[in-house]
Amino acid sequence: GAGVSQSPRYKVAKRGQDVALRCDPISGHVSLFWYQQALGQGPEFLTYFQNEAQLDKSGLPSDRFFAERPEGSVSTLKIQRTQQEDSAVYLCASSLVRLAATYEQYFGPGTRLTVT
Amino acid sequence: AQSVAQPEDQVNVAEGNPLTVKCTYSVSGNPYLFWYVQYPNRGLQFLLKYITGDNLVKGSYGFEAEFNKSQTSFHLKKPSALVSDSALYFCAVRDGYSSASKIIFGSGTRLSIRP
Repeated sequence: GAGVSQSPRYKVAKRGQDVALRCDPISGHVSLFWYQQALGQGPEFLTYFQNEAQLDKSGLPSDRFFAERPEGSVSTLKIQRTQQEDSAVYLCASSLVRLAATYEQYFGPGTRLTVT
Repeated sequence: AQSVAQPEDQVNVAEGNPLTVKCTYSVSGNPYLFWYVQYPNRGLQFLLKYITGDNLVKGSYGFEAEFNKSQTSFHLKKPSALVSDSALYFCAVRDGYSSASKIIFGSGTRLSIRP
């Protein structure tokens, strides 16, 4: 079927604005991950969902970042009062199984957020 | 704590020559190791993984990687490079002892294949 999709692909926000980034995982994938990728760096883990439960949010950089997956499929990453240091590509990935340790993740194309 | 290092920011290889992209890791338990490739304006694509078993793992697009426990390395290799292999490559590791989901990525190596 279709891969992981993300929207919008590009977002420009003025400092202080709130943004919402959407991820549609592969149908049937139980696990969903959010990553932040700064320019020239590897992706850094933000948070992880198993179905609708957020099991790990240790990577969220501040309380301005909030993620949800209320029905266990689509997920939204919200950033409140955006700051320039939030500028990055936000990647979403999904994985088929519950204990995802040994299984590869399938990534979306990312949302490039630029905060001016 | 788990970590992964890619010591080379860039690797340049002539088309048709063998290529190696280096990766070393550090975990407290058994490592689960992955290689991903990223093309411009696209998400990461899975290439291959090592979980257990044979130290030589074969993956997509003719790539392979060799797990070396004593050297804590998982270098990516290809016998004959193609210009289309030019991209950004990421090594990643997860600690097998932990049920946590977190996967740690290296900083990436840009592979450039010249015709």
